[in-house]
Amino acid sequence: QVQLQESGPGLVKPSETLSLTCTVSGDSIRSYYWSWIRQPAGKGLEWLGRIYSRGDTNFSPSLRSRVTMSVDTTKNQFSLRLSSVTAADTAVYYCARDWAASYCSSTSCVEAHDYFDYWGQGSLVTVTS
Amino acid sequence: QSALTQPPSASGSPGQSVTISCTGTSSDVGGYNYVSWYQQHPGKAPKLLIYEVTKRPSDVPNRISGSKSGNTASLTVSGLQAEDEADYYCSSYAGSNNVIFGGGTKLTVL
Repeated sequence: QVQLQESGPGLVKPSETLSLTCTVSGDSIRSYYWSWIRQPAGKGLEWLGRIYSRGDTNFSPSLRSRVTMSVDTTKNQFSLRLSSVTAADTAVYYCARDWAASYCSSTSCVEAHDYFDYWGQGSLVTVTS
Repeated sequence: QSALTQPPSASGSPGQSVTISCTGTSSDVGGYNYVSWYQQHPGKAPKLLIYEVTKRPSDVPNRISGSKSGNTASLTVSGLQAEDEADYYCSSYAGSNNVIFGGGTKLTVL
């Protein structure tokens, strides 16, 4: 059974950088995409971005300028960094396995997002001075 | 990119069926068969219920089903049980390596 566990500081000051790590157990991190998703209290889910085990990344257009992701296959971990945080970034942050499907148009093929099958329990990050 | 549109709430009595809609555009729900649905109980992580519009993971009962017509996907929960009371979210591939979610629907079992 695949398990994911988020870890990182629960408090971050405004304008600083939020950093979280997701540790994967029960399967290798290789050959999969891995995503970060967040949920402000009482609100819906927001996809932040994903990383492939090779290091390829895709980010949400709304956060692209502030998000970076990295992967460490030796530790079976991947990480999120979100810069210049404000109170609006306060949320529960989830990591999830991102199942991809090969989608081909008339001109090209991409590894399209299909679904999230395994999720971490979530990590609450509060932005406060 | 705007979130997919879901009704904020839905309800039904035990044993009844409830359908939750998820409306997008031809650039997301209508353009790809990569629509998924998630159930979230309070304080818990979301759980995958449906993927690729109609497919169920092996641990999801067959009283849960999904469908799509045009730009609107739907989730139907039949034979409502108390444990079905939760928040439900739809999600879709939106092209250009982007993923969007619906705003969520709170399902109440009366």
